[in-house]
Order: sequence, then structure tokens, then C-alpha cells
Amino acid sequence: NAGVTQTPKFRILKIGQSMTLQCTQDMNHNYMYWYRQDPGMGLKLIYYSVGAGITDKGEVPNGYNVSRSTTEDFPLRLELAAPSQTSVYFCASRSGQGGQPQHFGDGTRLSIL
Amino acid sequence: RKEVEQDPGPFNVPEGATVAFNCTYSNSASQSFFWYRQDCRKEPKLLMSVYSSGNEDGRFTAQLNRASQYISLLIRDSKLSDSATYLCVVTLSGGSYIPTFGRGTSLIVHP
Repeated sequence: NAGVTQTPKFRILKIGQSMTLQCTQDMNHNYMYWYRQDPGMGLKLIYYSVGAGITDKGEVPNGYNVSRSTTEDFPLRLELAAPSQTSVYFCASRSGQGGQPQHFGDGTRLSIL
Repeated sequence: RKEVEQDPGPFNVPEGATVAFNCTYSNSASQSFFWYRQDCRKEPKLLMSVYSSGNEDGRFTAQLNRASQYISLLIRDSKLSDSATYLCVVTLSGGSYIPTFGRGTSLIVHP
């Protein structure tokens, strides 16, 4: 049972480059989330989705974009990488049923140099 | 007042000790409560859900106090491997999509 899978696990980008962080889940969850976590800090919500074709901004959406064309996939796009986007990125999903917890992927560690 | 508050610690305890963490939440409409464990630079992992009547899983006991709006986590017989950050997570009722995370409480268990 794969759960939530994120790729790549590590990436180094140059300032101004673009990339897509991939996230896929095999639990048929409606809700999916992207978080970033800076060293010693808590999780900050970037974007979330409540189903295919529906996305919304979280706490820190600037510099990122998302899409949700299928239930399984929720990619996060960085268009013009900046050093401030150096962070660990976690994707999570949960069932739409009440009272269900989130399940997290094991993260993408991204450095912008 | 923050929506979900935790004492960041660190809590420094010897092996075998009992340690308890509290987490307070501000919105009385909160309905779902969870404790997660996060190891350094790893993903949060669900430790346990918190039910109204309280629940236990081995050495871990979680309780909910709706009147005072807090949840607690008790760890008995602490192990070195329990060293981690413990995150409190709260979700509102009524179709709220976004769980609210506390900043976490750091636990260090030493020999």
C-alpha cells in the first residue's frame, strides 16, 4: 500500500529555474494538501484541493501554482525559483469523510542556490 | 490567541519516565483531534486520533477536555525512540477542509 508518494526526494535548483513537485495518492482521497516546512518551524499550507478540478490558496501561495486534473495527482509548480523557497515540501491527503486524519508523503527537500 | 497552541519544550526526560503534553485550541466548534509524531526532517506520522471518551494505544494515552478546550497526550515508560516532536492537529466541523496544526512539542528522552 503506497499511500502518498512524492517525487523527487531531493532537488537543487538555480535561482529563476522552474520545476514541478509531484504528488500522487492511491487511497482515493478527495482532499489533498501541499505544505512547506522551514528548519525549526511548523507546517505552512501552500495550496489545497477538495477534489478534481478544485483548488484553493492556503497561507503561503505566492510563487507556487497547483492543478488537480485527477483524484490521484496534485502537482505543485514553482515557476521562478527563489532562495526563500528553499524548504521541505510535504504533500498530504485525507478522505472527505468527517473525522479522518491526513496522510503525508515523505517529502521533497528543495534547495535553491 | 493562536488557534492551536502547544508548549514547544523541549521536554527532557529520562528513559522510563512518564511525560504529558497539552494542546489548547481556541475554536469551540472543533470536532476532530489528532496527535502526530514528527522526527527531524521527516514527514508527520499519525500517532493517534483523540476520541471524546479518551483512548489508549500501548504506552500512549490521549484525552479530550471539551469544557476547557484542550487535548493531552500521556506517554508512559518513555523510550529513547520516543524522542521526536509531537504535533497537535485540530479540525473544525461543518465541512472545514483545513486541519490546524500546532507548532509541536519537542521531547528528548535520555539514557
